[in-house]
Amino acid sequence: DTGVSQDPRHKITKRGQNVTFRCDPISEHNRLYWYRQTLGQGPEFLTYFQNEAQLEKSRLLSDRFSAERPKGSFSTLEIQRTEQGDSAMYLCASSYSGRANEQYFGPGTRLTVT
Amino acid sequence: AQSVTQLGSHVSVSEGALVLLRCNYSSSVPPYLFWYVQYPNQGLQLLLKYTSAATLVKGINGFEAEFKKSETSFHLTKPSAHMSDAAEYFCAANPRAGNMLTFGGGTRLMVKP
Repeated sequence: DTGVSQDPRHKITKRGQNVTFRCDPISEHNRLYWYRQTLGQGPEFLTYFQNEAQLEKSRLLSDRFSAERPKGSFSTLEIQRTEQGDSAMYLCASSYSGRANEQYFGPGTRLTVT
Repeated sequence: AQSVTQLGSHVSVSEGALVLLRCNYSSSVPPYLFWYVQYPNQGLQLLLKYTSAATLVKGINGFEAEFKKSETSFHLTKPSAHMSDAAEYFCAANPRAGNMLTFGGGTRLMVKP
C-alpha cells in the first residue's frame, strides 16, 4: 500500500505536555497538508508544504504549533504545551501540484488531551 | 473567502432508495470541487472531483455529482443506497489559484434495512 500514512494513530497526553506527529505522503507527491478535525465538524486547514518549503499557514496554527518537512518527504507536526482544546483528529494529506490539487488523506492521528 | 455549505447534517434513507446529499459553494469563480467519504475513525477517501471538464462527474462506489454553476451547487447522488454507504460525507472546494481545501460541515448518511 502506497497511501498516506500517519503515526501514531492515537495519542493520549496530559495538558502541558508536548506531542509530535509524523506523516509520510504518497512518494511522488510534492505537496503535503495538515488539517485538524474536531468532533462533528469538517477538517480545517492548518498548513501546507511544497517540497520542503512551508508556503501557507492558517491563523488556527498558534505559536504552540510547528510543522516541518525537512527533506521534502515526511513531515512532523509538533504541539507544545498542549491544551484540552487541542483534542482533535489531525489529518495529513498529499497531492501532486499538476493534478488540480486532488488531495489524498491519511488515516489521521487522534489526540486526546486530559 | 470561499465557503461550502452542506444542507442537512443527517440524512436517513432506506436500503435501495435514492441518496441525495446537498452541497453549495460560494464563489464568483467556480472552484475545483470534491466529495470525500469518512468511515468511523478513518481518514477521508476521495469519491469524485469536478475540475470543469464535465458537469456530471462519476465517482467510485456508484456515486455521481452534478455541477450546476447557476445554482452554485455540487450535489452528490447514488441511485440505490447500500448498507455499506453509511458514513460521513464531506464536500470540499479548492480555489483554482489556491491550495487549501475548504470543507463543508459534513452530512452523516444513515441507511436503514
